[in-house]
Amino acid sequence: AQSVTQLGSHVSVSEGALVLLRCNYSSSVPPYLFWYVQYPNQGLQLLLKYTTGATLVKGINGFEAEFKKSETSFHLTKPSAHMSDAAEYFCAVSGSTGFQKLVFGTGTRLLVSP
Amino acid sequence: GAGVSQTPSNKVTEKGKYVELRCDPISGHTALYWYRQSLGQGPEFLIYFQGTGAADDSGLPNDRFFAVRPEGSVSTLKIQRTERGDSAVYLCASNLLAGGIEQFFGPGTRLTVL
Repeated sequence: AQSVTQLGSHVSVSEGALVLLRCNYSSSVPPYLFWYVQYPNQGLQLLLKYTTGATLVKGINGFEAEFKKSETSFHLTKPSAHMSDAAEYFCAVSGSTGFQKLVFGTGTRLLVSP
Repeated sequence: GAGVSQTPSNKVTEKGKYVELRCDPISGHTALYWYRQSLGQGPEFLIYFQGTGAADDSGLPNDRFFAVRPEGSVSTLKIQRTERGDSAVYLCASNLLAGGIEQFFGPGTRLTVL
């Protein structure tokens, strides 16, 4: 069984500030981990993913995440927030074999103030 | 089109009615997934198709829900005797089985049951 916990349903930052969105996972098998972003009235867009290899993963729009197996975490960061980053962010986990059903967290809404 | 498309974008129905939601995956994608996103929640897996067959339907909440993919491309999610609790955004995703990790999501169908 797999699960994802996202701490904080809402995170507020000022433009230019560090963005940190937290994600912890539980998985009985080696996981694949994902961050998706959802803008209003749009579908989910993949930001980045971890499968194997390097534990620091870089994605689109300046985001990155680090897979920490010992902490079962996959936190999402961005050094400097931009107004356009305001959206809902979802962390997800899947198994690494067979078909990849995604198990999502409940999401974190990022608010960016000028 | 280049992406996953879903129709209709919005569907309002009355309790007890039958609805069909359509998904057109990216051309050539053999795997197709349906998810349901309730208000304030992350997407939850419903069913997965590999080609024409439903490889995993463990997420379907009850026997009022059914999905088909007769020619291995377009899929239809069917809901009988709709209930107010069925109100949600229904998301479709697709990917290539071989090496396919990222799931490409459509914009969703917002279903409202009055």
